[in-house]
Amino acid sequence: DQQVKQNSPSLSVQEGRISILNCDYTNSMFDYFLWYKKYPAEGPTFLISISSIKDKNEDGRFTVFLNKSAKHLSLHIVPSQPGDSAVYFCAASYNNNDMRFGAGTRLTVKP
Amino acid sequence: EAQVTQNPRYLITVTGKKLTVTCSQNMNHEYMSWYRQDPGLGLRQIYYSMNVEVTDKGDVPEGYKVSRKEKRNFPLILESPSPNQTSLYFCASSLSGAGTGELFFGEGSRLTVL
Repeated sequence: DQQVKQNSPSLSVQEGRISILNCDYTNSMFDYFLWYKKYPAEGPTFLISISSIKDKNEDGRFTVFLNKSAKHLSLHIVPSQPGDSAVYFCAASYNNNDMRFGAGTRLTVKP
Repeated sequence: EAQVTQNPRYLITVTGKKLTVTCSQNMNHEYMSWYRQDPGLGLRQIYYSMNVEVTDKGDVPEGYKVSRKEKRNFPLILESPSPNQTSLYFCASSLSGAGTGELFFGEGSRLTVL
């Protein structure tokens, strides 16, 4: 039962353009949502998070949007850079313990 | 340097031979957890621990055991490994939980069970 879904396994964008990664969830009890980035042969690293009481959080080139009514969140990267090429995992947390991850989206930013 | 260290990084074993994957963090974090990563399934939580002597099941705990006897260590034990436990395993820690606290991950342990 995948409670967090990333329906796009891969995404390719041109350097300098916007990357939009999407994520859907089914459990309305989730209260925190996070994005992690993973390079090959490394562990995931935290990128950005958002509380369920907010609808937007911005950190430099990265912005996460949350639409609770649609149970949807998205990560925007503007402008995209070749160093952003990685696998991005969407994650959702309930009660600060139970953490569910999506299957990941592989982003490729072409120079 | 702040880090989460897992050992071994790579292991090939046979069905039924007990093994332990160690995890140690040097950040004095309260929360630690184990995940497995499989193609198409992302990261799935196996067990987590909010503090010493406190452990709870995650999404896929069957076939695994953990212990948290001291704050820095959180070993993952496979008492009788089976081929369906072939996976990439990650240990993670956080100052204050999985959601509000940033998770720091180890580099991963790739396990193959023949």
